[in-house]
Amino acid sequence: DAGVIQSPRHEVTEMGQEVTLRCKPISGHNSLFWYRQTMMRGLELLIYFNNNVPIDDSGMPEDRFSAKMPNASFSTLKIQPSEPRDSAVYFCASSLWGVGEQYFGPGTRLTVT
Amino acid sequence: KNQVEQSPQSLIILEGKNCTLQCNYTVSPFSNLRWYKQDTGRGPVSLTIMTFSENTKSNGRYTATLDADTKQSSLHITASQLSDSASYICVVSGPGGGGATNKLIFGTGTLLAVQP
Repeated sequence: DAGVIQSPRHEVTEMGQEVTLRCKPISGHNSLFWYRQTMMRGLELLIYFNNNVPIDDSGMPEDRFSAKMPNASFSTLKIQPSEPRDSAVYFCASSLWGVGEQYFGPGTRLTVT
Repeated sequence: KNQVEQSPQSLIILEGKNCTLQCNYTVSPFSNLRWYKQDTGRGPVSLTIMTFSENTKSNGRYTATLDADTKQSSLHITASQLSDSASYICVVSGPGGGGATNKLIFGTGTLLAVQP
């Protein structure tokens, strides 16, 4: 198994631009999670899906952030418009239904100038 | 407020030495506690998962302990190796936001550097 796949690995964009991060979970996993990691705040859960349905998006910072999971093998996290304070590493993780072990992708390092 | 605090923030040890990392939490109700290892530039990888009824769990040279009464956990690394250099993150599973998946609450991590 290739594990959780994220793309791109690095993204540099200018303030105001739209950014789309992509994630392919491990095949057969029912839950998908989006996290953001910064030096100051560590890892923070943004949103998670069960069976493609968003369950808890209370961690999404504001309306500029949106996430979708159109099918069991693909999810996107979109930031529009992006701001310098969005610079961070964004991780996607997946797990089997319930409180199963979460497997993290390699992350996308986002830099907004 | 549900919180997970780790200490020390950073630690430098010599190769071959042992070390212990600490985690205190205020999460309630409590489901399980996990220790993750995160190498630079990579995603976190699970080392151990413990429920409230477990006191100790080992994974090779890594041994985690849990005291659910005092809400404390520790990760002990024996005979450290250069490859142990990483960030170690304590994660507590607390009240879920919905569905059957509990929300994970992350500590800010301990950065360990093992020097030759």
